Amino acid sequence: KAGVTQTPRYLIKTRGQQVTLSCSPISGHRSVSWYQQTPGQGLQFLFEYFSETQRNKGNFPGRFSGRQFSNSRSEMNVSTLELGDSALYLCASSLAGRGWNTGELFFGEGSRLTVL
Amino acid sequence: GENVEQHPSTLSVQEGDSAVIKCTYSDSASNYFPWYKQELGKGPQLIIDIRSNVGEKKDQRIAVTLNKTAKHFSLHITETQPEDSAVYFCAARELDMRFGAGTRLTVKP
Repeated sequence: KAGVTQTPRYLIKTRGQQVTLSCSPISGHRSVSWYQQTPGQGLQFLFEYFSETQRNKGNFPGRFSGRQFSNSRSEMNVSTLELGDSALYLCASSLAGRGWNTGELFFGEGSRLTVL
Repeated sequence: GENVEQHPSTLSVQEGDSAVIKCTYSDSASNYFPWYKQELGKGPQLIIDIRSNVGEKKDQRIAVTLNKTAKHFSLHITETQPEDSAVYFCAARELDMRFGAGTRLTVKP
């Protein structure tokens, strides 16, 4: 069974630009979560999607957005990039239904974004 | 939302010793507490988890304990080996999963 796939793995952008990251979950997983990982801050929760609907959202500015498609693939977008947005962005999928979640998250290897 | 605190941030032990990492959480509604291990260049991977109706769980050299009253849980690794060196994250889930800041464990041969 293929794992969670994230693309691109590495990218460099400049301040003010925007970026789109993609995540393909494990087959059969309908829940996709996004996390930002920076040194010393651990994994900060961005948002979770289930069946094309945002189910939960973390404490990030509106520049961070996401969406989920009918095949459960998800994208996140960051607009007007700032230097502080440099981080590893991790996507995770889980087996979930409406109102329930088994709990375990399966992570991809992440997309490392550098903002210059 | 849920707030998870994790200590220590770094831990160095000799091979064969035990390692203990502790976490506290704030939301009493949290009901699932996993531990993840992250190796360099990889995404975090689940190593053990515990649900709120259980006080302790063990899997070979790894064990997790949960004290719901005090809202804290701990990871115990016995007979540590160099390949245990990694960053470990605790997490708590009620609606969504919130993570601690991580512990960098170094096992010296």
